[in-house]
Amino acid sequence: AQSVTQLGSHVSVSEGALVLLRCNYSSSVPPYLFWYVQYPNQGLQLLLKYTTGATLVKGINGFEAEFKKSETSFHLTKPSAHMSDAAEYFCAVRLKTSYDKVIFGPGTSLSVIP
Amino acid sequence: NAGVMQNPRHLVRRRGQEARLRCSPMKGHSHVYWYRQLPEEGLKFMVYLQKENIIDESGMPKERFSAEFPKEGPSILRIQQVVRGDSAAYFCASSHAGGLTTGANVLTFGAGSRLTVL
Repeated sequence: AQSVTQLGSHVSVSEGALVLLRCNYSSSVPPYLFWYVQYPNQGLQLLLKYTTGATLVKGINGFEAEFKKSETSFHLTKPSAHMSDAAEYFCAVRLKTSYDKVIFGPGTSLSVIP
Repeated sequence: NAGVMQNPRHLVRRRGQEARLRCSPMKGHSHVYWYRQLPEEGLKFMVYLQKENIIDESGMPKERFSAEFPKEGPSILRIQQVVRGDSAAYFCASSHAGGLTTGANVLTFGAGSRLTVL
């Protein structure tokens, strides 16, 4: 069965510092991979996704993630944190099967310190 | 072009009452998913539906919970005889056609329905 782990339920960074949120998945075949962001009292918004092709994907708000098959990882990064980046971030996977069950990781809460 | 619409946004019920949560998918989307988010936890998959069909309900509790997506109208998540442990945010998401189409199935989420059971 596929699963998603996110190392660190809470991450704090200083404004302007590098953001690194970790995601590892377990799957018998490389899945589709996603990062979603959730702001307080809102639904989830797609940040970026990996389906096929280039393993470094760029998303909205300056975020990017790199798919590393050998490490079964899809870590999310941003070179310089902004106060508005404070939110909950979810990594998600979907198997390339005949239907679309998306499995989410437990989430990482990002705090940005002024 | 409205996104995924969920209502009510907030619902308060007493133990033993019924809760009905509605979800209208994004225009052009025929697939609906329900997730539950408990405090300090991630999203747990509950059920995946297409029009008039339940495709995967492996995340649904065996009792008291049901879901439907009729030919006409919104998808409904129904919780009978609610208990305090049902208090959570319930998110609906929709997507374009399923299958193996690359790039499809990006989920568009609603803002959620927050159920509080007193």
